Amino acid sequence: EVQLVESGGGLVQPGRSLKLSCAASGFTFSNYYMAWVRQAPKKGLEWVATISTSGSRTYYPDSVKGRFTISRDNAKSSLYLQMNSLKSEDTATYYCARHDNSGVPFDYWGQGVMVTVSS
Amino acid sequence: DIQMTQSPSFLSASVGDRVTLSCKASQNINKYLAWYQQKLGEAPKLLIYNANSLQTGIPSRFSGSGSGTDFTLTISSLQPEDVATYFCLQHNSWPLTFGSGTKLEIK
Repeated sequence: EVQLVESGGGLVQPGRSLKLSCAASGFTFSNYYMAWVRQAPKKGLEWVATISTSGSRTYYPDSVKGRFTISRDNAKSSLYLQMNSLKSEDTATYYCARHDNSGVPFDYWGQGVMVTVSS
Repeated sequence: DIQMTQSPSFLSASVGDRVTLSCKASQNINKYLAWYQQKLGEAPKLLIYNANSLQTGIPSRFSGSGSGTDFTLTISSLQPEDVATYFCLQHNSWPLTFGSGTKLEIK
């Protein structure tokens, strides 16, 4: 059974940093692109980042480019999101998600982790 | 960036009704459209990919159609467990973009 379990969320002040983790199990992690998707309270979904199988390619929307960094450790079946220079508008539930092997995005999701950016 | 517009924002229908949700892209996305269902307090779930392919394990009352810029998600016979918000996503080009969602309720 595919499982994605996020951790590392919490309350952080504006301008500070936070690193999220996602532990994957139930599939061969190194064979799949992975991603982060977020959802602000009572709002819609926003794609945040995607990383290739080896980690050599990463993709971001302009809203987080230069502030967020997605990475992975295939030996540990783990995905990460380093978030720097956090803003109040980054407050959201962050989901770890898998891209399937044919390119379809987000066939499996974690339960999400809350990040609150506030002073 | 490609803008995805969903309509209606809110829909109330009766059990057994045929329900149609719309998603329009601001430019051609070929067949690269997915639909997700999100129930209250849960993570989204993939329903449909490549516009009309049903994800494994999803009931056959869900179907998708369309290509280019206009897409539709249809529930052939609405069930109480279908109460949720439905989002579309284009994955034709970066950045990936979601629609704002359609909230579906039982009348």
